[in-house]
Amino acid sequence: NAGVTQTPKFRILKIGQSMTLQCTQDMNHNYMYWYRQDPGMGLKLIYYSVGAGITDKGEVPNGYNVSRSTTEDFPLRLELAAPSQTSVYFCASRAGGPLDTQYFGPGTRLTVL
Amino acid sequence: QKEVEQNSGPLSVPEGAIASLNCTYSDRGSQSFFWYRQYSGKSPELIMFIYSNGDKEDGRFTAQLNKASQYVSLLIRDSQPSDSATYLCAVNPPGGGGNKLTFGTGTQLKVEL
Repeated sequence: NAGVTQTPKFRILKIGQSMTLQCTQDMNHNYMYWYRQDPGMGLKLIYYSVGAGITDKGEVPNGYNVSRSTTEDFPLRLELAAPSQTSVYFCASRAGGPLDTQYFGPGTRLTVL
Repeated sequence: QKEVEQNSGPLSVPEGAIASLNCTYSDRGSQSFFWYRQYSGKSPELIMFIYSNGDKEDGRFTAQLNKASQYVSLLIRDSQPSDSATYLCAVNPPGGGGNKLTFGTGTQLKVEL
């Protein structure tokens, strides 16, 4: 049981490039989330999903897209990378009940130059 | 007013002392409350959660919840240098789509030898 896994761990992009951050969970959780965390700051929700085929915007969705074709996978797509997207990205999953724990992946550190 | 507020710190305590971390929340109907620990460069990990008024103890950690005053706190007894980290308070608001936890910005704790 690996929990929540994310790839890659690190990535450097040039301005205008695109990439997909991968997130997979093996806990059969319905809810999945993408956060970004800037240095010294809190977690900001980018997108979330309540189940396969259903996604919704969070607090800071601009410049990102997501899809959820399976329960396990929730990739985050960055189109036309900008320096403002330099951050650490965390994927998380949760079973769904009010007392359920939210589990985080190890994060992807992205730098846009 | 921010939905979940924490003092950013740093909070410095000597080794062996009690560290007290506080969090206030704005939504009176919030149901459950979580404390996460985040070491520098790592992902958040759950320490404990609480949903009933009063105290909940787990080893050296005690979570305290007062719904009337809308605050939740985390006490760490016999603080150790390994407790030095940022502590994030998270709140599960009522009826929120996607069961999205709302995170505070975290309190940095430093345990000094």
